[in-house]
Amino acid sequence: KQEVTQIPAALSVPEGENLVLNCSFTDSAIYNLQWFRQDPGKGLTSLLLIQSSQREQTSGRLNASLDKSSGRSTLYIAASQPGDSATYLCAVKGDNAGNMLTFGGGTRLMVKP
Amino acid sequence: EAQVTQNPRYLITVTGKKLTVTCSQNMNHEYMSWYRQDPGLGLRQIYYSMNVEVTDKGDVPEGYKVSRKEKRNFPLILESPSPNQTSLYFCASSFGTIGANVLTFGAGSRLTVL
Repeated sequence: KQEVTQIPAALSVPEGENLVLNCSFTDSAIYNLQWFRQDPGKGLTSLLLIQSSQREQTSGRLNASLDKSSGRSTLYIAASQPGDSATYLCAVKGDNAGNMLTFGGGTRLMVKP
Repeated sequence: EAQVTQNPRYLITVTGKKLTVTCSQNMNHEYMSWYRQDPGLGLRQIYYSMNVEVTDKGDVPEGYKVSRKEKRNFPLILESPSPNQTSLYFCASSFGTIGANVLTFGAGSRLTVL
């Protein structure tokens, strides 16, 4: 059964710092991996979706990479801002998972002014 | 505005009192799903639906029911709620297979069962 882990669970950085969030998964037979942002009191917002054939995806200051063989993905945030403060979750869709997604526990990020 | 709408957003109820959490999307998405989010356990899928009248169990379906009579609506039913169903619930929808395309989530429904 697929397991998805995000470490650290919480992270606090000063504004302007470049940072990396980690996501690891146990079964490398994945269809795709998504990164989401969750703000308090709100639902999840999809940030980036990486198909299994891709190595990375970029959107603005965000860059997500995928290494299937090692079971890892990273979300790179450049020049962090206080508005980036939120919980970031990754979710994996397995090759044979049908309509199932497996989520990590999330990393709670705080960017201090 | 394209969105997924859940109601109620907050609910406190007592053990055994049947309740329904509604979910509606205005994007003509085929796929809809329900998740619960608990501290330390992340999001876990409860049920999903591939289209009208087609539903299937997720990871944690026990104690829940769903129905998909119309494409836009996917209500979550707790026939006899128990305290272990206290959680934050999310509904989500997408074109195509869930997870193959971008998921759109509702704002969440926080349920407390006393």
